[in-house]
Amino acid sequence: EVQLVESGGGLVQPGRSMKLSCAASGFTFSSFPMAWVRQAPTKGLEWVATISTSGGSTYYRDSVKGRFTISRDNAKSTLYLQMNSLRSEDTATYYCTRVAYYFDYWGQGVMVTVSS
Amino acid sequence: NIVLTQSPATLSVTPGESVSLSCRASQSISTSIHWYQQKSNESPRLLIKYASQSISGIPSRFSGSGSGTDFTLSINRVESEDFSIYYCQQSYSSLFTFGSGTKLEIK
Repeated sequence: EVQLVESGGGLVQPGRSMKLSCAASGFTFSSFPMAWVRQAPTKGLEWVATISTSGGSTYYRDSVKGRFTISRDNAKSTLYLQMNSLRSEDTATYYCTRVAYYFDYWGQGVMVTVSS
Repeated sequence: NIVLTQSPATLSVTPGESVSLSCRASQSISTSIHWYQQKSNESPRLLIKYASQSISGIPSRFSGSGSGTDFTLSINRVESEDFSIYYCQQSYSSLFTFGSGTKLEIK
């Protein structure tokens, strides 16, 4: 059974940093691109970033480019999202997803609240 | 970036009715559209891939159609468990985007 379990969320002040993790199991992690998708409270889904199987290629939405870094450790079957210079508009539930051009498996999500 | 416009924003229906939800792309994207269902306080679930391809475990009352810029998600005879929000997503560009969603509610 595919499982994606996010961790690392919480309350953080504007301008500070936070790192999310996603532990994957139930599939060959190194064979799939992975992504983060977020959802602000009462809002729709918003793709954040994608990483290729090797980690050699990454893609970001414009609003997080230069502030967020997606990475992966295939030996640990873990996906990461390093978020720097956080803003109030980054407040959202962040989902870890497996990518096959579509998002076929989703984690339960982790809440990130950016507030002073 | 490719913009996806979903309509209507809200659709009020009676259980047993059949419905169609629309997703329009700002440029031609072939069949690179996928549909998701999100129930309240749950993670999204993949319903349809590549415009019309079914997903294992998804009820057969859900179907998709379209190509180019206009896409439709159809639900044949809506059941009570179907009342939720539906999103489309494109993978034509590496910069993925979602539509703003259609909320299916009970009339």
